[in-house]
Amino acid sequence: DTAVSQTPKYLVTQMGNDKSIKCEQNLGHDTMYWYKQDSKKFLKIMFSYNNKELIINETVPNRFSPKSPDKAHLNLHINSLELGDSAVYFCASSPGVGGSYEQYFGPGTRLTVT
Amino acid sequence: GESVGLHLPTLSVQEGDNSIINCAYSNSASDYFIWYKQESGKGPQFIIDIRSNMDKRQGQRVTVLLNKTVKHLSLQIAATQPGDSAVYFCAENRSGGSNYKLTFGKGTLLTVNP
Repeated sequence: DTAVSQTPKYLVTQMGNDKSIKCEQNLGHDTMYWYKQDSKKFLKIMFSYNNKELIINETVPNRFSPKSPDKAHLNLHINSLELGDSAVYFCASSPGVGGSYEQYFGPGTRLTVT
Repeated sequence: GESVGLHLPTLSVQEGDNSIINCAYSNSASDYFIWYKQESGKGPQFIIDIRSNMDKRQGQRVTVLLNKTVKHLSLQIAATQPGDSAVYFCAENRSGGSNYKLTFGKGTLLTVNP
């Protein structure tokens, strides 16, 4: 009965490759997010979708492309991976749009680019 | 240890003592605040929230205090246990503009000594 799940949990790849991270939530939430957590534990929002519509797009390189096939899924595709992309990526969901809702986080995907 | 190189504020307490974790926020228009707990290798987990029309809210063994005058938020954990060891984040919802996102603070590493 996992609420927010991500795959894979670990991803090791070489510079220049393209990779995807998948996220699914079974909470019936309308809004989903992608966050990046760097080595200093700083957590920063990247994207947010509400009912499959993009509502937040922070200043993220356009090598990162989120895709939401339905309300329960938000995937993150990254092209031409760079060393600086190494981080832990968290997916989250919330019942409604807006920051005034509790967000439920997935377990994270640790991406290492070599 | 985990804190090496992270440059996170750290708090070390003895089991059974009370812990107080502090957070300063910058936007006086922020109207919703959340505390999250992140254990090693896991995603952030909701602890407690508070809206700006309150100055105190209590949960199970936790209390959040909000001082809007000095833009300060604190999390008090009573009778701290080893399982409370984690990184704690405060997050604020900045009203105005899109009002869609939470902004996370730097995080504080709490270590509970048995």
